[in-house]
Amino acid sequence: SYVLTQPPSVSVAPGQTARITCGGNNIGSKSVHWYQQKPGQAPVLVIYSDTDRPSGIPERFSGSNSGNTATLTISRVEAGDEADYYCQVWDDNSDYVFGTGTKVPVL
Amino acid sequence: QVQLVQSGAEVKKPGASVKVSCKASGYNFNIYAITWVRQAPGQGLEWMGWVSAYNANRDYAQKVQGRLTMTTDTYTSTAYMELGSLTSDDTAVYYCARLAGSGSHPFDYWGQGTLITVSS
Repeated sequence: SYVLTQPPSVSVAPGQTARITCGGNNIGSKSVHWYQQKPGQAPVLVIYSDTDRPSGIPERFSGSNSGNTATLTISRVEAGDEADYYCQVWDDNSDYVFGTGTKVPVL
Repeated sequence: QVQLVQSGAEVKKPGASVKVSCKASGYNFNIYAITWVRQAPGQGLEWMGWVSAYNANRDYAQKVQGRLTMTTDTYTSTAYMELGSLTSDDTAVYYCARLAGSGSHPFDYWGQGTLITVSS
């Protein structure tokens, strides 16, 4: 089955940039989506199809995908960005797969 | 605006079944699919399956195949997820989400979640 690996935690100070990676075999050939989940809340889509932002998501959120790594970048981090972040792809053998999740504490 | 509203929390005994509903509004229910994702306490997201409201096509994760049934009612714009032979490992928050179709589409809108607790 297809596996997506994320770092357990990425710490960042307010105003700095957080980069969250999502590793998978040849993930660059797949379409990657990213979700933000705050405690006690449902996930929210923040990036879809590698680089696109849904309406209402700040431009501070951006994505990239190449080779074996996809990356979610949060620029000018705010306290309200503190959450868990999950990457997700569709694989024709494994169906829908989520990454292991990354906790982003804002210091 | 698109909304998915799920039924309330339930407590079930091991071996029982549970049926969770997900009522959609704000879009044409008939041309989308609904997918279900669960999250055990303190754990990550686990995809369970999807069902098309358009043609009732469905696909389930191998882990729950045989115990899971997903259906839709296009008259009430409601999707259902029924999971049987429950064990304590099924204790989780269950989410429904909208899906544009099978393949590499995102889960663009989510329900608020339904906590299912399996306990004797």
